[in-house]
Amino acid sequence: KAGVTQTPRYLIKTRGQQVTLSCSPISGHRSVSWYQQTPGQGLQFLFEYFSETQRNKGNFPGRFSGRQFSNSRSEMNVSTLELGDSALYLCASTITGGEQYFGPGTRLTVT
Amino acid sequence: EDQVTQSPEALRLQEGESSSLNCSYTVSGLRGLFWYRQDPGKGPEFLFTLYSAGEEKEKERLKATLTKKESFLHITAPKPEDSATYLCAVLDSGAGSYQLTFGKGTKLSVIP
Repeated sequence: KAGVTQTPRYLIKTRGQQVTLSCSPISGHRSVSWYQQTPGQGLQFLFEYFSETQRNKGNFPGRFSGRQFSNSRSEMNVSTLELGDSALYLCASTITGGEQYFGPGTRLTVT
Repeated sequence: EDQVTQSPEALRLQEGESSSLNCSYTVSGLRGLFWYRQDPGKGPEFLFTLYSAGEEKEKERLKATLTKKESFLHITAPKPEDSATYLCAVLDSGAGSYQLTFGKGTKLSVIP
């Protein structure tokens, strides 16, 4: 069974630009969550989608947004990039919340 | 607000030297406690889920236990390939979503 996939794996952007990251969950998983990981803050929750609905959002500015499609694939978007947005962006999928499986992440560097 | 604290931040062990990692948590209602392993530049790899105090789970050299306030990850006779960052996370039963709250991790180094 294929795992969680994320594209692209690496991305370099300039301040002020916007970026879209993609996540394909494990087949059958309807919940997709996104996390930001930095050396200083660790893993921080961004948002969770279930059946195309955002159920919860973490403490991040409105520049961070996401969506989920009918096939459970999810995208997150960051507009007006700042240097501090440089991080590893991870998505996780689950059926029941009991076991959440992470993708390999997208490493975003903002210059 | 849910909180997860892991200790120590870093741990160096000789190969074969057993030890334990600690995860203390504060949550209104525990739906599940999770342990993950993360290698540099990779996503966290799921290890265990624990649901209630007294529960234990084992996998190879790893054993996870849970009390009402903390969890331990015991590593028996570790090998260099066990070197990684170990993350603990909780899922709050009061949350209307599957949001995990993570600790900052314990970086384990096993020296041959």
